[in-house]
Amino acid sequence: AQTVTQSQPEMSVQEAETVTLSCTYDTSESDYYLFWYKQPPSRQMILVIRQEAYKQQNATENRFSVNFQKAAKSFSLKISDSQLGDAAMYFCAYRRSSGAGSYQLTFGKGTKLSVIP
Amino acid sequence: GAVVSQHPSRVICKSGTSVKIECRSLDFQATTMFWYRQFPKQSLMLMATSNEGSKATYEQGVEKDKFLINHASLTLSTLTVTSAHPEDSSFYICSARANPGPSPLHFGNGTRLTVT
Repeated sequence: AQTVTQSQPEMSVQEAETVTLSCTYDTSESDYYLFWYKQPPSRQMILVIRQEAYKQQNATENRFSVNFQKAAKSFSLKISDSQLGDAAMYFCAYRRSSGAGSYQLTFGKGTKLSVIP
Repeated sequence: GAVVSQHPSRVICKSGTSVKIECRSLDFQATTMFWYRQFPKQSLMLMATSNEGSKATYEQGVEKDKFLINHASLTLSTLTVTSAHPEDSSFYICSARANPGPSPLHFGNGTRLTVT
């Protein structure tokens, strides 16, 4: 079974600074997808960034980028120029690319990010 | 982009009653929808996978007779919490897939259920 581990229950960052959220996962699959979701107090799940495991290049979306280390099964999220609106729970998630259950997401326990003005 | 509408956003019910939560895909057909449960300050736990026109697949430990799922059309899945108890109070979120491949799942806004 796949597992996703987020070892940082809470993190804080000064506004305009950079913060990195950690995520590791365990899988026997070679092809899969990884995601970071943001959940603000409204509880709406918002996709931040995604990475296909077959791609070596790290995904980037504006101020958000990932460091994907496939061999180490690590998938960290870097937020640059942090803004007050970035404060939220961040969930790392895994999904198989094919086969039974390939659209089921396995979530980590989340990291609560606070942004200090 | 693909939109998933979940209704109601909040519901309070008395113990022993049943509550129905709807999950609709507004601008796409969703052959598969997922129902998650989230306790305060915890992660999302998959309850069941709902496939249009067939029985839902429940995760281990989820009572299928208590959490009835119906996916009668390509745009609607419903979760009915039967004979609700206070311990069923939680945040329920649905999600749906719009396309095959790497397309991410789209989430509803969630339903906060409080059983008194």
